[in-house]
Amino acid sequence: DQQVKQNSPSLSVQEGRISILNCDYTNSMFDYFLWYKKYPAEGPTFLISISSIKDKNEDGRFTVFLNKSAKHLSLHIVPSQPGDSAVYFCAASAGTGNQFYFGTGTSLTVIP
Amino acid sequence: GAVVSQHPSWVICKSGTSVKIECRSLDFQATTMFWYRQFPKQSLMLMATSNEGSKATYEQGVEKDKFLINHASLTLSTLTVTSAHPEDSSFYICSARTSGGSLFGPGTRLTVL
Repeated sequence: DQQVKQNSPSLSVQEGRISILNCDYTNSMFDYFLWYKKYPAEGPTFLISISSIKDKNEDGRFTVFLNKSAKHLSLHIVPSQPGDSAVYFCAASAGTGNQFYFGTGTSLTVIP
Repeated sequence: GAVVSQHPSWVICKSGTSVKIECRSLDFQATTMFWYRQFPKQSLMLMATSNEGSKATYEQGVEKDKFLINHASLTLSTLTVTSAHPEDSSFYICSARTSGGSLFGPGTRLTVL
């Protein structure tokens, strides 16, 4: 049973525009969320995190929004750059020291 | 700063051989590390939770006798794929929690011929 879902397998965005990647989860016990970026044949690169006590966290061009009532989080990238082209995974965990559950990823292509 | 490293980054082996993958925490101690596996076009799947000084906890469906995990020190966890077969070919990634967040290793690509 997939507890973390990314329903869009791919997304194409023009350079300079906003990229919005979405993620839904089913487990209401999840209280810590992450977004990762992954290039082929490499390990995940941590992007940004958010805990359930917040609804927004911003780091440079990356902003994560959390809607606990809808069990939904999103990653906004503004402005999008060609180097952002990669697969993005959201992940969730319940409590500290516990494992993460990953979504299936969204492949982002930023068109120059 | 705190980093998680993995060695080797890529290993090719013949079917039937055993392969050891190391996961090290640099500049921090990790009492708990996690081992994930990623198949192409799929999400990372947790294989097991590695605890320093005790037996690893395996996820359902993961053969503990095939994927041996040893967490002998606070900075090193190893995953040994025993009697590897082509279907074990995958990308193996470890991670560890720090006070500042979760760190992932760069991953190890295993190719079994």
